Amino acid sequence: ETGVTQTPRHLVMGMTNKKSLKCEQHLGHNAMYWYKQSAKKPLELMFVYSLEERVENNSVPSRFSPECPNSSHLFLHLHTLQPEDSALYLCASSQNSGGRQETQYFGPGTRLLVL
Amino acid sequence: RKEVEQDPGPFNVPEGATVAFNCTYSNSASQSFFWYRQDCRKEPKLLMSVYSSGNEDGRFTAQLNRASQYISLLIRDSKLSDSATYLCVVNEKAGANNLFFGTGTRLTVIP
Repeated sequence: ETGVTQTPRHLVMGMTNKKSLKCEQHLGHNAMYWYKQSAKKPLELMFVYSLEERVENNSVPSRFSPECPNSSHLFLHLHTLQPEDSALYLCASSQNSGGRQETQYFGPGTRLLVL
Repeated sequence: RKEVEQDPGPFNVPEGATVAFNCTYSNSASQSFFWYRQDCRKEPKLLMSVYSSGNEDGRFTAQLNRASQYISLLIRDSKLSDSATYLCVVNEKAGANNLFFGTGTRLTVIP
């Protein structure tokens, strides 16, 4: 299944590095999301873009910076991360219309380890 | 207070057994409800939406009790391939983009 793809699948970075996660959706959806999944914790919504405009930012630290250049692509820029930021970062997309949210489809995730 | 609460399990059941998971949510105004399935080291995938009247998809039955604010998932005739983590998901506002996920219930079906 290649509806939502993410690269890289695995990433190890030091606290002083800068890296970017990439997500691409091939489903023609108009909304994209970044989630963080840590061990034994529920998925946490980080950012939402709807029609390429950011509509939700759930108090995520500024060391995470999203970018949505078009409706098919979403980036998460990372800089000066902390070890506690190590987690699985999941991208999702959905088609939202008429005030009703449709199913979210997830990418395979990027497993991030911050040393 | 967690928006969505689930028993993390694990639930270990033999093949062919019937198993049920419950989930509670805190916001009585929540609009829509889902069960997602997540296999080990994979992404979550929608298993089924949960409707007020209850709904069934093969061996899977989902129920919603708005008065008590809980959602259930029943799996009949468990298969080895049902082994996964089952995530309860709630959308609190109509048209909103914000889904709230439970921590998931881990199911292992044993031969």
